[in-house]
Amino acid sequence: EPEVTQTPSHQVTQMGQEVILRCVPISNHLYFYWYRQILGQKVEFLVSFYNNEISEKSEIFDDQFSVERPDGSNFTLKIRSTKLEDSAMYFCASIGSPRNIQYFGAGTRLSVL
Amino acid sequence: GESVGLHLPTLSVQEGDNSIINCAYSNSASDYFIWYKQESGKGPQFIIDIRSNMDKRQGQRVTVLLNKTVKHLSLQIAATQPGDSAVYFCAENEGYSTLTFGKGTMLLVSP
Repeated sequence: EPEVTQTPSHQVTQMGQEVILRCVPISNHLYFYWYRQILGQKVEFLVSFYNNEISEKSEIFDDQFSVERPDGSNFTLKIRSTKLEDSAMYFCASIGSPRNIQYFGAGTRLSVL
Repeated sequence: GESVGLHLPTLSVQEGDNSIINCAYSNSASDYFIWYKQESGKGPQFIIDIRSNMDKRQGQRVTVLLNKTVKHLSLQIAATQPGDSAVYFCAENEGYSTLTFGKGTMLLVSP
């Protein structure tokens, strides 16, 4: 069964450093999403991406965040200068068309020290 | 979007019991609802979905019930198994908006 793949599974970084979280969505999907989940809290929407541009973003997705689809398979989330409060699980999701089921990756655990 | 919440943070059942996990939503315009299962260390896994033109939908061992009058969604798991132990999230959206997730209910199944 096709799946969304995320790397790394765990990223440890120092406060102020840049991190790039990587995702390989399901190959024929066109809509891509990043979510985050702080430990013990609900999954929160960060950003959606379609046709090589951001289609929607939340208040969490400030200027420190950016997304990119550098090639035909990868979808990345960059945090320019990490803060302690960025520590969370980050999930990538993709769908083939709107109103379809979003499939999630296993997540990247980001630990900012 | 408006918030989606869950009544019970933890539900403990015995293997073989039927489980019911509840979810209240506040956006009366929501027209699509999904239940996800999240096992420890994994991402949310789709279980079942339902659109607002339906009030019940059945899958394999799972049933979702939607009561739009009171804005309530439930997930019923028949003959619960230890492998069903996980956190269950409901999520909703309106039209093409992004999904809004509830906090989750942990289901613990004892053998």
